[in-house]
Amino acid sequence: DADVTQTPRNRITKTGKRIMLECSQTKGHDRMYWYRQDPGLGLRLIYYSFDVKDINKGEISDGYSVSRQAQAKFSLSLESAIPNQTALYFCATSDTPSGALGNQPQHFGDGTRLSIL
Amino acid sequence: AQSVTQPDIHITVSEGASLELRCNYSYGATPYLFWYVQSPGQGLQLLLKYFSGDTLVQGIKGFEAEFKRSQSSFNLRKPSVHWSDAAEYFCAVGAVSNTPLVFGKGTRLSVIA
Repeated sequence: DADVTQTPRNRITKTGKRIMLECSQTKGHDRMYWYRQDPGLGLRLIYYSFDVKDINKGEISDGYSVSRQAQAKFSLSLESAIPNQTALYFCATSDTPSGALGNQPQHFGDGTRLSIL
Repeated sequence: AQSVTQPDIHITVSEGASLELRCNYSYGATPYLFWYVQSPGQGLQLLLKYFSGDTLVQGIKGFEAEFKRSQSSFNLRKPSVHWSDAAEYFCAVGAVSNTPLVFGKGTRLSVIA
């Protein structure tokens, strides 16, 4: 989905390095999410943000931090990368429900493939 | 909290055959249900969604899914599979609006000639 852009698309780095993955969106959505995908484990939620001033931990937040710099930007950082953080990382966005509606569909970027040696 | 199970890790079908991918959810009220497809090297794309109303929903690429409350299921179907349908498929369930969607672990579909 070109409306959700992740950079870089691929990154190889060494253990102990600080890494930042960036996500920007042009969909005008308030809600943004970071997931990691590992074979056989599906998508696991790392952090999510429902608006600029809101940050929430997901299922697997240890070793990660995030920054919501603006409505359109949500960055994921690995302060000191370790090999088991090698994975495919996805950013997603969704609209805020209105009225009695529940969750809205999420829209995904194309992912960042991160390898930590 | 809601949860979702995709019982099949990997399915292989012949091109032109019909397809059904299973999804079971756990949630006490009427859920919001989604199916996504992930082609190699790409992000997840929404195939279809169920919010309320008609329990048979049509999606893109010729897919449909049926919500069955009595079975807590939302199975994805396609009458005739094409080689380009080979991908990974994810079912997701949503509940109240202040919690993110919960995704299943995915089913990988292989299509053989």
